[in-house]
Amino acid sequence: AQKITQTQPGMFVQEKEAVTLDCTYDTSDPSYGLFWYKQPSSGEMIFLIYQGSYDQQNATEGRYSLNFQKARKSANLVISASQLGDSAMYFCAMRVNTGGFKTIFGAGTRLFVKA
Amino acid sequence: SQTIHQWPATLVQPVGSPLSLECTVEGTSNPNLYWYRQAAGRGLQLLFYSIGIDQISSEVPQNLSASRPQDRQFILSSKKLLLSDSGFYLCAWGTGSHGYTFGSGTRLTVV
Repeated sequence: AQKITQTQPGMFVQEKEAVTLDCTYDTSDPSYGLFWYKQPSSGEMIFLIYQGSYDQQNATEGRYSLNFQKARKSANLVISASQLGDSAMYFCAMRVNTGGFKTIFGAGTRLFVKA
Repeated sequence: SQTIHQWPATLVQPVGSPLSLECTVEGTSNPNLYWYRQAAGRGLQLLFYSIGIDQISSEVPQNLSASRPQDRQFILSSKKLLLSDSGFYLCAWGTGSHGYTFGSGTRLTVV
């Protein structure tokens, strides 16, 4: 069964420091995609970063990077130089290729950035 | 560019009343469309997805149904709402590696 696990309900980080949000996944599908989304208090869902299961390099998008460890089935999000605007819920997600490219989401981690 | 419209933004409905939430996509054709529900402080639960007109797959047996009468229109419905139907409903479209584009969501409160 496909599953996404985020074990950190909440995280605190000091402004300008880096923070790692954990994500592990489970699937028997050899081809899959991993995503991170940000949800501010407004409720909108914002796509941050994508990692394909066959990608050799870790994905990076500006201050976001995805630490992909395939053997451990982990896909942690690293946010460098945290900003106050980074305070939000963060969701790890996995796209499965069995019909419709549907995506399943983890329970989320709420990040608090302290000034 | 592609945009997705979802309405209404908020809705308060009595138990037993019907529901219709609409989502439309612009700037793309034959998109994969999805309905998710998010309970307060929780992750997203996939409700329905559609890969084409009149092609709907249900993920969770429940009080809701979905329809796709046109290529870029996705509707979430219920004949009789339950208290447990309260939540934040999000429509999304997407393919491949680009992640989903989500609508702005509908906050439904069943009273």
